[in-house]
Amino acid sequence: KAGVTQTPRYLIKTRGQQVTLSCSPISGHRSVSWYQQTPGQGLQFLFEYFSETQRNKGNFPGRFSGRQFSNSRSEMNVSTLELGDSALYLCASSLGLGSGVSYEQYFGPGTRLTVT
Amino acid sequence: SQQGEEDPQALSIQEGENATMNCSYKTSINNLQWYRQNSGRGLVHLILIRSNEREKHSGRLRVTLDTSKKSSSLLITASRAADTASYFCATVLTYKYIFGTGTRLKVLA
Repeated sequence: KAGVTQTPRYLIKTRGQQVTLSCSPISGHRSVSWYQQTPGQGLQFLFEYFSETQRNKGNFPGRFSGRQFSNSRSEMNVSTLELGDSALYLCASSLGLGSGVSYEQYFGPGTRLTVT
Repeated sequence: SQQGEEDPQALSIQEGENATMNCSYKTSINNLQWYRQNSGRGLVHLILIRSNEREKHSGRLRVTLDTSKKSSSLLITASRAADTASYFCATVLTYKYIFGTGTRLKVLA
C-alpha cells in the first residue's frame, strides 16, 4: 500500500497570503487528522475529518480551515498568513477513531511552510 | 492543557545501553500509542498498548502501562545510533489524538 502523501513538501509564502496543503491518505483510511508542529509548541492538533465531516477542531483561529473529499483526500487552508504560522504541517490517516476505538495513525512526511 | 508530558525531555546515552522514557496523561484511555520522529520528519507508529494490558513487547521495545497512575514507559534495549529520534506518546480524546511533549533521545556511537 502506498503511504500517506502530502504536497507540496516545502513552501515559502509571504505574510498576508493564503496557502492550501494537500494530503492523500492510505487507501481505505477514512480518518484524516492534521497537526502543526513547531519547536516551541510541539505537536498541536488542528482538525480531524471522517467521511467528509469535521469531527473535532483544535484551538486555532478561523484562518485555519480544512475539508475532506469523498475519496478521503483532504486539504487544509490557511488564510492571511502570519509569521507565526511557519511550521511543519503533518497529515495522518487511520482506519478511524471514536468512542472506545482508536487505531494507529500513519503520518505523511509533512509540508514545511515558511512565512516571510 | 490536555497535552501529555514525557520525561525526560532529553536523553543522551551510549550505543548498547538501554533507554527509558516516561509518559503521563490526563484522561481515561482506550489505548496508548508511542511514535518516533527522526529529524523533524513525519512520525512513525511504534507500538500500541490497550488499557487492559500492562506490558507489551515489540522487538527491542518494551512498553508498560499503569492506568491507575495514568502513566506509561517505553524501554529501548541495546540502543543503536539509528534510534536517535524524538519519541512521543499519544492518547485519544473525542476524535483527536493528544501527543505528549516528546523525549529527544540521542544515542552516541
